Amino acid sequence: EAGVVQSPRYKIIEKKQPVAFWCNPISGHNTLYWYRQNLGQGPELLIRYENEEAVDDSQLPKDRFSAERLKGVDSTLKIQPAELGDSAVYLCASSLVGYNEQFFGPGTRLTVL
Amino acid sequence: AQSVAQPEDQVNVAEGNPLTVKCTYSVSGNPYLFWYVQYPNRGLQFLLKYITGDNLVKGSYGFEAEFNKSQTSFHLKKPSALVSDSALYFCAVSPSDNYGQNFVFGPGTRLSVLP
Repeated sequence: EAGVVQSPRYKIIEKKQPVAFWCNPISGHNTLYWYRQNLGQGPELLIRYENEEAVDDSQLPKDRFSAERLKGVDSTLKIQPAELGDSAVYLCASSLVGYNEQFFGPGTRLTVL
Repeated sequence: AQSVAQPEDQVNVAEGNPLTVKCTYSVSGNPYLFWYVQYPNRGLQFLLKYITGDNLVKGSYGFEAEFNKSQTSFHLKKPSALVSDSALYFCAVSPSDNYGQNFVFGPGTRLSVLP
């Protein structure tokens, strides 16, 4: 069974540029999460989807961050414009509704110069 | 709001010795508790969870954890450490009335197993 797929693995951009991350969850997983992990810290939830619906986006900085999950499968997280403080690893995870374990992708390491 | 503390940034242990990585939590109601491990440049991997029942939970790679409600702790343990156990370990908590969906992670503990 394929795991959670994320791309790109690494991205380096200059501040004020846009950037997008892509995630394909495990087949059949209804719930999809985007987390941000700063260096030396645990992951922090940005947004959670149940199928196509964003059910928790309270921690998403909506002035510059946006996300979508069209058709309830893969998802894209966008930052526009990026700031220096956005440098972090962006993790995608998925799970079955009603189950507890989340399965994580390898993450995208973003460096904003 | 729920929170997780991992009081030790770093734990060093000799190979073959028992290891403990500590976790304490705060949550309203009954908790769901989890341990994840992260290797360099990899995503988090699920180790074990406590939902209900026996306070001693066994997980992957010989790890186990003990739920202690009175001390609000969920320490991760292994009887005999391996060098390959060296990694970053995260404890997470979720309130049980939310089907474990909204995790809060601790800051992580770096485990170094010395040969």
